[in-house]
Amino acid sequence: NAGVTQTPKFQVLKTGQSMTLQCAQDMNHEYMSWYRQDPGMGLRLIHYSVGAGITDQGEVPNGYNVSRSTTEDFPLRLLSAAPSQTSVYFCASSYAGRTWGYTFGSGTRLTVV
Amino acid sequence: SQQGEEDPQALSIQEGENATMNCSYKTSINNLQWYRQNSGRGLVHLILIRSNEREKHSGRLRVTLDTSKKSSSLLITASRAADTASYFCATDASNDYKLSFGAGTTVTVRA
Repeated sequence: NAGVTQTPKFQVLKTGQSMTLQCAQDMNHEYMSWYRQDPGMGLRLIHYSVGAGITDQGEVPNGYNVSRSTTEDFPLRLLSAAPSQTSVYFCASSYAGRTWGYTFGSGTRLTVV
Repeated sequence: SQQGEEDPQALSIQEGENATMNCSYKTSINNLQWYRQNSGRGLVHLILIRSNEREKHSGRLRVTLDTSKKSSSLLITASRAADTASYFCATDASNDYKLSFGAGTTVTVRA
């Protein structure tokens, strides 16, 4: 039981490049979310999903795309990287029913130069 | 904007003392959760309190919720050096499925 697995752990991109941050969970969780964490700002929700085939925008969705074709995977795509997207990205998942907390991955530290 | 705001931003205490931090939020909630984050790591879920609950305990943790004041508090009793971390409250709003976090309280426990 691996929990929430995020890859890669570190990434450096040039401005304008695109990439996909991977997130996979093996707990059969319905809910999955992506957050970014910047110094002094806590975690801000980018996109979230309440089940396969269903996604919705969070607080800061611009410049990011998601899809949820399976229960297990919830990749986050950066369409055209900008320096403002330099951050630590966390994926999290939870059972439905709103009585459980979220399990977080260990994060991806992204630098855009 | 973020739903929850923690207070204080930072807290330094001696080992063995209690640590109290507060969270205020803006809209109606389904539940409120507290998480811990050690430096450079992911967040770990500590405790969830539902909107119809007023107090909850888990080991050395005590959480209270006052929905009339839209506020919650987390008390860590008999703190240890291992409690040094950032603590975040997160609100699960009633009208959607978003879990929104505050900026966190950084707790330092001195030996």
